[in-house]
Amino acid sequence: NAGVTQTPKFQVLKTGQSMTLQCAQDMNHEYMSWYRQDPGMGLRLIHYSVGAGITDQGEVPNGYNVSRSTTEDFPLRLLSAAPSQTSVYFCASSYSIGSNQPQHFGDGTRLSIL
Amino acid sequence: AQSVAQPEDQVNVAEGNPLTVKCTYSVSGNPYLFWYVQYPNRGLQFLLKYITGDNLVKGSYGFEAEFNKSQTSFHLKKPSALVSDSALYFCAVRDRQTGANNLFFGTGTRLTVIP
Repeated sequence: NAGVTQTPKFQVLKTGQSMTLQCAQDMNHEYMSWYRQDPGMGLRLIHYSVGAGITDQGEVPNGYNVSRSTTEDFPLRLLSAAPSQTSVYFCASSYSIGSNQPQHFGDGTRLSIL
Repeated sequence: AQSVAQPEDQVNVAEGNPLTVKCTYSVSGNPYLFWYVQYPNRGLQFLLKYITGDNLVKGSYGFEAEFNKSQTSFHLKKPSALVSDSALYFCAVRDRQTGANNLFFGTGTRLTVIP
């Protein structure tokens, strides 16, 4: 049981480049989300999805796009990378949209923007 | 507005001693409360949650947490710390009335257990 898988684990980009962070889960979870983790700021929600075809913005959505074409996959796209997007990105999923469900996290993508 | 405060960036404790990692929260309604642990270069792992009922919640690896509504706190505790407990701990809260997307995390507390 792989859980939540994120690729790549590390990435270095130049300002203005675009890229897609991949996230896949094999637990048939409805709810998936993307967070960024910055020192001293905890985790902040970027985008989330409550099912295939349904996405919504979180706390810090600017500069990022998402789509959810299947239950399993929830990619995060950086349209034009900026140094402020240097961070560790975590994808998470949970069984349902019930708000008492704990989330399962991937191991993160460490992204540096030069 | 929802928020979570972890007042200590760093907690040091000797192996075998009890440990406490503090968390206070603010929500408009009743909370769902969570503790997660993060080891180096890994994602967050769920430890325990409070939904309703008994104020003392038991979780993974011998951890427990006490919900105190009057003090709006949810402190994480363990009777006897292990070196392997050294990690980054996050408290998180959801307001029951606002739905699934609003999970707010604290800024984390780094626990170091000294052999």
